[in-house]
This record gives sequence, structure tokens and C-alpha cells, in this order.
Amino acid sequence: DSGVTQTPKHLITATGQRVTLRCSPRSGDLSVYWYQQSLDQGLQFLIQYYNGEERAKGNILERFSAQQFPDLHSELNLSSLELGDSALYFCASSVRGGGNTGELFFGEGSRLTVL
Amino acid sequence: DQQVKQNSPSLSVQEGRISILNCDYTNSMFDYFLWYKKYPAEGPTFLISISSIKDKNEDGRFTVFLNKSAKHLSLHIVPSQPGDSAVYFCAASRYSNSGYALNFGKGTSLLVTP
Repeated sequence: DSGVTQTPKHLITATGQRVTLRCSPRSGDLSVYWYQQSLDQGLQFLIQYYNGEERAKGNILERFSAQQFPDLHSELNLSSLELGDSALYFCASSVRGGGNTGELFFGEGSRLTVL
Repeated sequence: DQQVKQNSPSLSVQEGRISILNCDYTNSMFDYFLWYKKYPAEGPTFLISISSIKDKNEDGRFTVFLNKSAKHLSLHIVPSQPGDSAVYFCAASRYSNSGYALNFGKGTSLLVTP
């Protein structure tokens, strides 16, 4: 158990819809990261928040947005969903932006299926 | 732009033998290199890391080797056990004002057969 909690674990929805994925980081971790893992793809970095503020952006589509709340939990919002958005979405957290080595602690992921 | 590459999607090794997983990178500015292990239906978990100023780091059955001139690192598992069967991701990190940003490879699926 990494201490990072993601909900929901599974989500099935239709194209054009909007969903929200939720992440609670490990206790004390200020940084939250979102990653997408599509079929046959590695972990693609989407976005990072640190103590409520956006810190880095990766390959995140304009239809996707995220935020980190004062209690440090984070939400990833995916809108106008397309079939290609079907993927595993991982949240990870770390101490102060990665500690000494960049080690991240990952949740179990939210599997999104768009039909 | 894939800065971290794992060119072998899968590897099969007999129990007790050595498993060697390879990883190449393109950015010479990376500070740390990490290996993560992922079982089905679970998130990736940290396995071992190495600083860019070192060429070897060992932790029990796991050893990571770094060849900076070749921009290549490898993970050795000796001896391999069936429980090591998982997907292994290579990652590289670089420090910035935002903290560390991790770049992952696509993963290598290791199967250790009895």
C-alpha cells in the first residue's frame, strides 16, 4: 500500500461525456502528479501540482484539466471524451517535488473506458 | 519525444538465472535513474535508483548499472524468481524549479518461468 488513494478504480462512459478522477496523496506529500498509461504506451506525464499550484505540464490535452485543493487532494477532469482517452490514469505523490531522487509513490490507478 | 527508451517489450527467463533489462536515454541532463516494478491491477512501485554520478548501485538481488557515455542503463536481477514476473519501467529524472520530473520508458514485461 503506497498510501496514495485513487477513485474510482474503474469507470465506463460514453464519448462526449465528462468524468472526474480523484486522488488523495500520501500524508505529508505536497506534490501530486498525474500520468496516463494507454495500451502499449509507457507512463505519459500529464501534469504536476505542488501545494495547490500548478508546477509542470506534460502532454496534457486542452480537454483535460486538473486542480489541487487546500487539503492537497487532486482531481483530474476529462471532458469531451473520445475513444482514444481510454487508459489507466495514475496519480502519484512525493515529498517536496520528489525528495532527493525523484521517487514517486503511485496509486493503483483509475481505469477509464470510453465506449 | 521519447527521452527514455526500453526497446524490449518482453523478456522470458528461467528461475535462478539472471534477468537483464535494458534502457537507453537521450537527455544528458538527467540527474537520477530509477526502476519501477508494476504488477497487474497495481500502481508502479519504486525498486532501485542510481545517481548520474555513479555507475553501479546494488540492493540485494537487484543491481543497476549506468553507462553515461553510452546513455545506457541496465537492471540485473540475480537470481530471478517467479515473483519477479512483472512489468519493469525505467525512468529518468531531472531537477527543475518544479522539483523532479520523471520520464518513463514504455516498460519491459519480465516473465520468470519455474
